[in-house]
Amino acid sequence: QVQLVQSGPEEKKPGASVKVSCKASGYTFTTYGISWVRQAPGQGPEWMGWISAYNGNTNYAQKFKGRVTMTTDTSTRTAYMEVRSLRSDDTAVYYCARDLLLTTNSFDPWGQGTLVTVSS
Amino acid sequence: QSALTQPASVSGSPGQSITISCTGTSSDVGTYNLVSWYQQHPGKAPRLIIYEASQRPSGVSNRFSGSKSGNTASLTISGLQAEDEADYYCSSYASGSTLKLFGGGTRLTVL
Repeated sequence: QVQLVQSGPEEKKPGASVKVSCKASGYTFTTYGISWVRQAPGQGPEWMGWISAYNGNTNYAQKFKGRVTMTTDTSTRTAYMEVRSLRSDDTAVYYCARDLLLTTNSFDPWGQGTLVTVSS
Repeated sequence: QSALTQPASVSGSPGQSITISCTGTSSDVGTYNLVSWYQQHPGKAPRLIIYEASQRPSGVSNRFSGSKSGNTASLTISGLQAEDEADYYCSSYASGSTLKLFGGGTRLTVL
């Protein structure tokens, strides 16, 4: 079955960086893109950006441009998302989700989520 | 761009039907049929239940249905069951600097 498995929880200090991984299985990795979505405690989801697993093209939400980098490694079927200059309000669960194209809008399935806690 | 607007909470009794609205603008819901809905139980990842405004993925109960009119999309759940108690989120494709938006979420309580 189609599955996305993410890396484990992270605790970081303000100003640090974090890199979350998302390993795909059960489908042809390069046929789909991956969106990254975060959800702060008690809040709705927030779309961060999308990457094509076919050619590495990316599109970032305005809020995250310059601070977030998304990459893929097709040899290991893994997507990565790095956030730099972490702040306390970056504390959230970060999800990856399969998302066919930049111009589609259905996230299915989602990874199990990675809790990133930013605290001094 | 602002998040899409959803009611904070709705409730219904088992067997009843409820509808959750998702209001956007002419730059998102009003222009694109690319509205999706997600169900999220506490501590779990969201699950896709409706895509392209009214399409149901395989494996999703036909008690879930979606529609769209103007700048507002709607999710209807018929024959409410206890297991439907969860948070529901809408999402829409958008024009502008951020291409995909989410709503703030609606907590469904089954009485």
